Amino acid sequence: EAQMVESGGGLVKPGGSLRLSCAASGFNFSDAWLSWVRQAPGRGLEWVGRIKSKTDDGTAAYAAPVKGRFTISRDDSKETLFLQMNNLKTDDTAVYYCTIGGSWGQGTVVTVSS
Amino acid sequence: SYGLTQPPSVSVSPGQTARITCSGDALAKQYAYWYQQKPRQAPVMLIFRDSERPSGIPERFSGSSSGTTVMLTITAVQAEDEADYYCQSADNSGIWVFGGGTNLTVL
Repeated sequence: EAQMVESGGGLVKPGGSLRLSCAASGFNFSDAWLSWVRQAPGRGLEWVGRIKSKTDDGTAAYAAPVKGRFTISRDDSKETLFLQMNNLKTDDTAVYYCTIGGSWGQGTVVTVSS
Repeated sequence: SYGLTQPPSVSVSPGQTARITCSGDALAKQYAYWYQQKPRQAPVMLIFRDSERPSGIPERFSGSSSGTTVMLTITAVQAEDEADYYCQSADNSGIWVFGGGTNLTVL
């Protein structure tokens, strides 16, 4: 059974940075396209970005609100997905989930506030 | 446009059938996925590729597609089905989009 566990969330000031991790197990991680999805308080699900498998060129793509500030990367040897978030804004406050669609982590909370 | 539109809310009595629609131009070419999310929990996939059900999802959840509209049908609704439901689609490059979500109330 696929499992995904996010970590790294916390409280950060506007303009600050944070790096989220997602440890995965139970599926062929290296062949998977992996996504980050976030949910602001009281709001719906918002796709943040995805990274392809290395065999499919390994590139990342991002939603417009985070493009240029967030970077998705992966370490297939450790079956871990990352989300580097820079120049954080108050609108980035949300629960951040890693997912392959059929499986989701429990989420990690990011709060951007002064 | 690439947006997906869902009704904000649907209400149904226990034992009745709930139908939640999702519309968008992209759905004419791409598969739809449905998720259920209960308060303070992660989403759970209910339907993939328009109408397929992952193992462990009850048969009362079903999906259908027609043109630019997809539908999630929940037959014999139970109190535990009260939740938010989201449709989602993706293009061939793995760019996802979600509908705004539908809150299902079981009266």
